Amino acid sequence: QKEVEQNSGPLSVPEGAIASLNCTYSDRGSQSFFWYRQYSGKSPELIMSIYSNGDKEDGRFTAQLNKASQYVSLLIRDSQPSDSATYLCAVNRNTGFQKLVFGTGTRLLVSP
Amino acid sequence: SQTIHQWPATLVQPVGSPLSLECTVEGTSNPNLYWYRQAAGRGLQLLFYSVGIGQISSEVPQNLSASRPQDRQFILSSKKLLLSDSGFYLCARPGAGGYTFGSGTRLTVV
Repeated sequence: QKEVEQNSGPLSVPEGAIASLNCTYSDRGSQSFFWYRQYSGKSPELIMSIYSNGDKEDGRFTAQLNKASQYVSLLIRDSQPSDSATYLCAVNRNTGFQKLVFGTGTRLLVSP
Repeated sequence: SQTIHQWPATLVQPVGSPLSLECTVEGTSNPNLYWYRQAAGRGLQLLFYSVGIGQISSEVPQNLSASRPQDRQFILSSKKLLLSDSGFYLCARPGAGGYTFGSGTRLTVV
């Protein structure tokens, strides 16, 4: 079992729709969770972090965490073509030293 | 500034040749630094991390090594490259709420 799992996609949504990206993790002791966006050929950039159960909203982005189900999601409202990218889920194993473990990413395609 | 500088941006090297990738950071002194590799179809794999000068921890046995000769410098090396060393190499440091990555080096071993 992979430590962090994501559906590779592509996830195709029309412009203006809500994109829902999902991630599951195996280490029940994980404490910190992150979503990164990576455009083709570029390095990842952090878009959201979440540490406690529930929802966290930032603009068009909402991160959702359910530690009991070991599940993290990212919702993108009013999706734009510029949101087309690969979205990486990352989990901090919290071994006393911050070491992020990444999923393989979900490719999102937003069509105009 | 928490800027991370990586060079070169792209590199094509023959099998068996040596490698040296450099990462330098600005801002906070003695930051934790990380080397990740992203191979085609795979996620970001942590290769090495360093908590200070001369302190290197290896995550995955491989054909690579790392060094931290200065506070803000982290170097990834290999004596003899393999085809499997091809990938996108990223240097990272902790930032507000997560990691900040450098712009990366895309290495192709031919």
